[in-house]
Amino acid sequence: AQSVSQHNHHVILSEAASLELGCNYSYGGTVNLFWYVQYPGQHLQLLLKYFSGDPLVKGIKGFEAEFIKSKFSFNLRKPSVQWSDTAEYFCAVRKGSNYKLTFGKGTLLTVNP
Amino acid sequence: SAVISQKPSRDICQRGTSLTIQCQVDSQVTMMFWYRQQPGQSLTLIATANQGSEATYESGFVIDKFPISRPNLTFSTLTVSNMSPEDSSIYLCSVDSGTSGGSYRNEQFFGPGTRLTVL
Repeated sequence: AQSVSQHNHHVILSEAASLELGCNYSYGGTVNLFWYVQYPGQHLQLLLKYFSGDPLVKGIKGFEAEFIKSKFSFNLRKPSVQWSDTAEYFCAVRKGSNYKLTFGKGTLLTVNP
Repeated sequence: SAVISQKPSRDICQRGTSLTIQCQVDSQVTMMFWYRQQPGQSLTLIATANQGSEATYESGFVIDKFPISRPNLTFSTLTVSNMSPEDSSIYLCSVDSGTSGGSYRNEQFFGPGTRLTVL
């Protein structure tokens, strides 16, 4: 069965630090990749997505992610985090021809001012 | 993007009872999904609900435990039946962004969730 691994359960950073959250998946075929964010008290929101083309995708709020097919990875990055980035981040994968999403367990990011 | 609301936002229920969760979307959508997010776990798809057909359940989930209705293109309900403490979870409704449904180019939008506690 397809699985999605997020390596970090909880990441704590200071403001202005750089961020990289890992995401690996197990499916070997064509995939669509997503990062969702859930701010405290709010619902899940789409941060960015990859369907095809340039493997470096840019999302909202200065986030970007790079799809590395050979490593089955889709890591999320931000060069300088802010206190308002404190949230839980979920990586999700969908097989290319399927509508079903498989989620990772999420990474809680705490940014200290 | 679609705006999704869920009712109730949270509830505390007794063992053996049932709870029906409502999901309302502000636009017509073909595909709606119900997920469960247990404490410390990822989101797990329970079933896919298309209007005019029976819901499709994922492995480990059955209709008798989680009956779903989809009476029209903007509304769905999920019932958690004969509840036990193991059903304590957040239940989320989501919708596919496409009007034709099922395209791999579509996104999924999520509702705010229903936090259920079973005593």
